[in-house]
Amino acid sequence: GQQLNQSPQSMFIQEGEDVSMNCTSSSIFNTWLWYKQDPGEGPVLLIALYKAGELTSNGRLTAQFGITRKDSFLNISASIPSDVGIYFCAGSKTQGGSEKLVFGKGMKLTVNP
Amino acid sequence: NAGVMQNPRHLVRRRGQEARLRCSPMKGHSHVYWYRQLPEEGLKFMVYLQKENIIDESGMPKERFSAEFPKEGPSILRIQQVVRGDSAAYFCASSLLRDSYGYTFGSGTRLTVV
Repeated sequence: GQQLNQSPQSMFIQEGEDVSMNCTSSSIFNTWLWYKQDPGEGPVLLIALYKAGELTSNGRLTAQFGITRKDSFLNISASIPSDVGIYFCAGSKTQGGSEKLVFGKGMKLTVNP
Repeated sequence: NAGVMQNPRHLVRRRGQEARLRCSPMKGHSHVYWYRQLPEEGLKFMVYLQKENIIDESGMPKERFSAEFPKEGPSILRIQQVVRGDSAAYFCASSLLRDSYGYTFGSGTRLTVV
């Protein structure tokens, strides 16, 4: 099945550092979303992007919807220990009569205090 | 103001048994989605239901898997004659409207087939 290419797969950073991750696809999406998943839990929505070129911030998080609608990036500034987790990008598209999400494989973030 | 409730959180089944996973959507949400997550993978769409109707089951395996969302009660994902490859985390999400950004995911059911 279709999947997004998410990179990097993992990152180890020091507390206070910034981190960037991105997602690319061969097809166009209507909406890009970024989720965080803690161990044993479901994904929690961080940021949603609806327009090509859109740049959106949510606290220390900044995300952009690529102009081509085939990519997106997420930045986390001044990381803190609770940022640890797995970050997923997801693209939304209408297919087969319904809108569904296609997820990347995730980026595992470790923050060393 | 409970979120999406899934139970059980963990389920162990022997090969050949049936697994029944339950999902109670957020209050007022009539759209339910099921996703499966294999280890080290992202979530993959399985099925989208509205009350009493299956809208899109394009992600469901053709055999052994079924889903329902009755007028009363939770949505049920049923896996018959489970095999080891069915071991995964199964997540349910619900939304108020028919759009993706309104998804709220539950905490998932982790199925282990032994």
